[in-house]
Amino acid sequence: RKEVEQDPGPFNVPEGATVAFNCTYSNSASQSFFWYRQDCRKEPKLLMSVYSSGNEDGRFTAQLNRASQYISLLIRDSKLSDSATYLCVVNYWGAGNMLTFGGGTRLMVKP
Amino acid sequence: DADVTQTPRNRITKTGKRIMLECSQTKGHDRMYWYRQDPGLGLRLIYYSFDVKDINKGEISDGYSVSRQAQAKFSLSLESAIPNQTALYFCATSGPDRDRGQETQYFGPGTRLLVL
Repeated sequence: RKEVEQDPGPFNVPEGATVAFNCTYSNSASQSFFWYRQDCRKEPKLLMSVYSSGNEDGRFTAQLNRASQYISLLIRDSKLSDSATYLCVVNYWGAGNMLTFGGGTRLMVKP
Repeated sequence: DADVTQTPRNRITKTGKRIMLECSQTKGHDRMYWYRQDPGLGLRLIYYSFDVKDINKGEISDGYSVSRQAQAKFSLSLESAIPNQTALYFCATSGPDRDRGQETQYFGPGTRLLVL
C-alpha cells in the first residue's frame, strides 16, 4: 500500500466549476501536510500548506482530518490556468523532514 | 535567475554508461535532495544531504551515488545506467520560508533522462 494515495484522475471540469481532490496517508505520525502543483514537464511548486483547522488561500481551501488520515483540496471557480497535476505531500519529522509524495491528481479545466 | 538549477536538462544515454546529473542552488540551504519521478508513482527520494558531511540513502538508492561538493552543489551519478533508470530527476533544497513560517522544499527544473 502506498504511503500517500490519490485518485490519479483526470478530473475534467468546465471553467467556473468547483472541484475537490482527496488524499489519504498511512503514517499516523505524519506531522506536516501540503499540496503541491506540478505543470506538465515542470517541477513541483508548493501551492499551500494544510493546517488542522483548515485554511484558505483565495479560491483554494485545504482541510485535514487527522483521525481519518485524510486531506482535501477544494478549488472554487476553476480557471483554465488551474489545469495541472496536484500532489498531496506529507512530512514526518522523525525521518528528518522527509517529504512523501502521492502520485498526483490531474485536473483539466475546459472552456 | 533560478534558485535551483540542474544540468543537463535532457540526456539520452546507452545502457552501461556512467552519467552525472548536477544540481546547484543559490538559496543558501544546507539540505538538498534528489528525487526521481515516474508516471503514476509520484516523486521518490533517492538520496539526501543535510550538510556537506552528511549523506543519506533514500527510498530507492540502489544503482545511484551522490556527491556533496559544497553547500551549493549536490550531484547524482548513475555508475552504469540501465533502461529502468529512465525517468525525470529532480533536485530540491529545503529551508525556511519566512512567508509561510515553516520549512519548504524548492525544486529544480528537472533532468529528463532516457537510457537506451
